[in-house]
Amino acid sequence: EIVLTQSPGTLSLSPGERATLSCRASQSLSSTFLAWYQQKPAQAPRLLIYGASNRATGIPDRFSGSGSGTDFTLTISRLEPEDFAVYYCQQYGSSPPLTFGGGTKVEIK
Amino acid sequence: EVQLVESGGGLVQPGRSLRLSCAASGFTFDDYAMHWVRQAPGKGLEWVSAISWNSGSIGYADSVKGRFTMSRDNAKKSLYLQMNSLRAEDTALYYCTKGAPRGSGGRWGDWYFDLWGRGTLVTVSS
Repeated sequence: EIVLTQSPGTLSLSPGERATLSCRASQSLSSTFLAWYQQKPAQAPRLLIYGASNRATGIPDRFSGSGSGTDFTLTISRLEPEDFAVYYCQQYGSSPPLTFGGGTKVEIK
Repeated sequence: EVQLVESGGGLVQPGRSLRLSCAASGFTFDDYAMHWVRQAPGKGLEWVSAISWNSGSIGYADSVKGRFTMSRDNAKKSLYLQMNSLRAEDTALYYCTKGAPRGSGGRWGDWYFDLWGRGTLVTVSS
């Protein structure tokens, strides 16, 4: 089973600042089968990024993903008020099981 | 409208059973693999199970293997999760999600989730 470790656990930033979230896999992922999701309180997760760097439909270009192998990054170039949420990474290169990271909470400083 | 709507959750005693359902609309249901993902209160996401478009392949997390059974009825555009021998640690919000398209071959279970339902809450407690 591939374990995904997300860091930091919590990121305290102000609107307009840049957010950099990390996701590290316990073993190298096949190709770039990594996705990122955003989850707000009392809502289902929303797909942001798939294939490590491809934005999902309707996702603003301030969200970008990068990385390969075991190290992946989600960057939010300029935080908008609606971006404060919990973010999860998910690997889909080796299943079962599909696995998620533990999440990074981006909170308002 | 493209959506997934889960139902069937509730409060159940340990050791009892519950059957969840998920109704799909707005897309060609039998063109996609489907998954269940759960989230315990205040915790992260955990993949539970997956089923291929034609029910030919089904996979489970070790934590539910032998207790949960996933199925689908393409004619009814519906997904199901039969949960037996429920434990306190099964308490969670259960999401139905859309997975790989038909034609993904051997990668039917290896996919991301671009459509989620709102979830149905299962509480296992005496």
